[in-house]
Amino acid sequence: DIVMTQSPDSLAVSLGERATINCKSSQSVLYSSNNKNYLTWYQQKPGQPPKLLIYWASTRESGVPDRFTGSGSATDFTLTISSLQAEDVAVYYCQQYYTYPITFGQGTRLEIK
Amino acid sequence: QITLKESGPTLVKPTQTLTLTCTFSGFSLSNSGVGVGWVRQPPGKALEWLALISWNDDIRYSPSLKSRVTITKDTSKNQVVLTLTNMDPVDTATYYCGHRPPTASGCYFDYWGQGTLVTVSS
Repeated sequence: DIVMTQSPDSLAVSLGERATINCKSSQSVLYSSNNKNYLTWYQQKPGQPPKLLIYWASTRESGVPDRFTGSGSATDFTLTISSLQAEDVAVYYCQQYYTYPITFGQGTRLEIK
Repeated sequence: QITLKESGPTLVKPTQTLTLTCTFSGFSLSNSGVGVGWVRQPPGKALEWLALISWNDDIRYSPSLKSRVTITKDTSKNQVVLTLTNMDPVDTATYYCGHRPPTASGCYFDYWGQGTLVTVSS
């Protein structure tokens, strides 16, 4: 199985500041034949299901604010929130879909400082 | 508009079999590339993928649960059913079903149900 490791486990950022969450996979999730990274990011608020933010590592889902940016390739990925808003308080998960079983990171809890 | 909703028991006893139904609308599981899967989340813990069934009856299971889990679909009813045998208290979790888009070329979920909390206790 591909192990997904996120860092940090929790993060406190001031409103309007940048938040950066990292995700590392135990093997590459870059598919050479199409040059795509099989990596998604989800946001989960308390009592709610996960919400898809980013797929193919950097493609923003429709309706997701442009302050959310996904980057990285192969084994190292980053989710950046350029200017933190109060409604961004949540747990964020990365997930690889390069191979089965699909696997998630352990989550990063984002709070307001 | 795609929606999914999970239904089933909220409490099961150890050793019993759990059966959950995902009823969906806004898409058909006969459409090329579409899939429906299950993910669970123990209280306060991370997400864990369980199973996926695709439009062409391709089925994938988590190896850690493969001997206990079954996923089936009823295309005419727009339903997907998950069964998990020999339930244990460690299986206590919120169970979600999700829609795998046809463009996924793999498995991620762009729409999720609200989830159903299943507690395993005698």
